[in-house]
Amino acid sequence: NAGVTQTPKFQVLKTGQSMTLQCAQDMNHNSMYWYRQDPGMGLRLIYYSASEGTTDKGEVPNGYNVSRLNKREFSLRLESAAPSQTSVYFCASSLPLQPQHFGDGTRLSIL
Amino acid sequence: DAKTTQPPSMDCAEGRAANLPCNHSTISGNEYVYWYRQIHSQGPQYIIHGLKNNETNEMASLIITEDRKSSTLILPHATLRDTAVYYCIVAGGTSYGKLTFGQGTILTVHP
Repeated sequence: NAGVTQTPKFQVLKTGQSMTLQCAQDMNHNSMYWYRQDPGMGLRLIYYSASEGTTDKGEVPNGYNVSRLNKREFSLRLESAAPSQTSVYFCASSLPLQPQHFGDGTRLSIL
Repeated sequence: DAKTTQPPSMDCAEGRAANLPCNHSTISGNEYVYWYRQIHSQGPQYIIHGLKNNETNEMASLIITEDRKSSTLILPHATLRDTAVYYCIVAGGTSYGKLTFGQGTILTVHP
């Protein structure tokens, strides 16, 4: 039982490149979330998916797209990376209104 | 969403109880109080949550005041491994499962 698995763990991009961050959970959770965390700050919600087939914007969605591929997988895409998107990205999952389980994060640097 | 106020930092001696306060004066009736912590740069770890009654689990106790405007997380016997950033979050109701992280309290446990 791996919980929430994020890939890759580290990535360096050049400005303008595109990339997809992958997230998978094996806990049969309905809901999945993407957050970003900038240095010295708390996490901020980018997008979430309440259930398979639905996605909604969070606090900071600009510059990102998401896909809920199936119940297990929720991906985050940067179409044209910008230095302001340098951050640590966390994926989480949960049953409705239950505590969220987080992955170990993807550390993304954009030059 | 209701907001929370936490002290930026606290210290605790190893083996003693750590009491972390949180103010959430604008909490609404159907919102829960959640506590998470983040060790180094790992993903946040769920600790405990409650609505209005005090709660206890294997990690901690949560004391919520009768008017629900504040709460205290208690780690009964702090260890060095409890050094982390602790986040108090109010969520539920119309916010669905979305969590709003503040800057939390940096708890440092000293030998």
